[in-house]
Amino acid sequence: NAGVTQTPKFRVLKTGQSMTLLCAQDMNHEYMYWYRQDPGMGLRLIHYSVGEGTTAKGEVPDGYNVSRLKKQNFLLGLESAAPSQTSVYFCASSRGSAKNIQYFGAGTRLSVL
Amino acid sequence: KNEVEQSPQNLTAQEGEFITINCSYSVGISALHWLQQHPGGGIVSLFMLSSGKKKHGRLIATINIQEKHSSLHITASHPRDSAVYICAVPSSGGGADGLTFGKGTHLIIQP
Repeated sequence: NAGVTQTPKFRVLKTGQSMTLLCAQDMNHEYMYWYRQDPGMGLRLIHYSVGEGTTAKGEVPDGYNVSRLKKQNFLLGLESAAPSQTSVYFCASSRGSAKNIQYFGAGTRLSVL
Repeated sequence: KNEVEQSPQNLTAQEGEFITINCSYSVGISALHWLQQHPGGGIVSLFMLSSGKKKHGRLIATINIQEKHSSLHITASHPRDSAVYICAVPSSGGGADGLTFGKGTHLIIQP
């Protein structure tokens, strides 16, 4: 049972490049989340999904897009990366709303030069 | 939107000491989460509680709903407890839109 798997673990981009971060969970969870973590700040919600085919904006959605075509996968896209998007990105999943335990992936460290 | 404040931001203690980390939030909630982030970066859930007290090994979490306050205690602390401890609450009343996190408490336990 792998839990929540994020790929890649590390990535370096040049400004303006695009990339997709993949999150996969094998717990049949309905809810999935993308967070970013920056020094001196708490984790902040980028986008989330409450089920297959649904997505919604979180606290800091600008510059990101997401898709949830399959229940087990939640993709985070950066269409034109900016240095301000240098961060550590965490995916999480849960059985239900925020009253349920969230299970986190190992994180993706992204640097945009 | 709920606001979360943790204290202290940094804490260094000697092995064996009793540790207390505090968390306050601004809006009434249905549940509060305590998480641990290890130096390697991984985040794991320690507790989710909506009232009273929960205990797991040497860790104890308490919550006072009326005062909008929670504490995480570590008894007989050990160097392996060194980590960042994070408090989180539902961003809104319904909880459908994820969690709001505190900035974390960086704990170092020295042998």
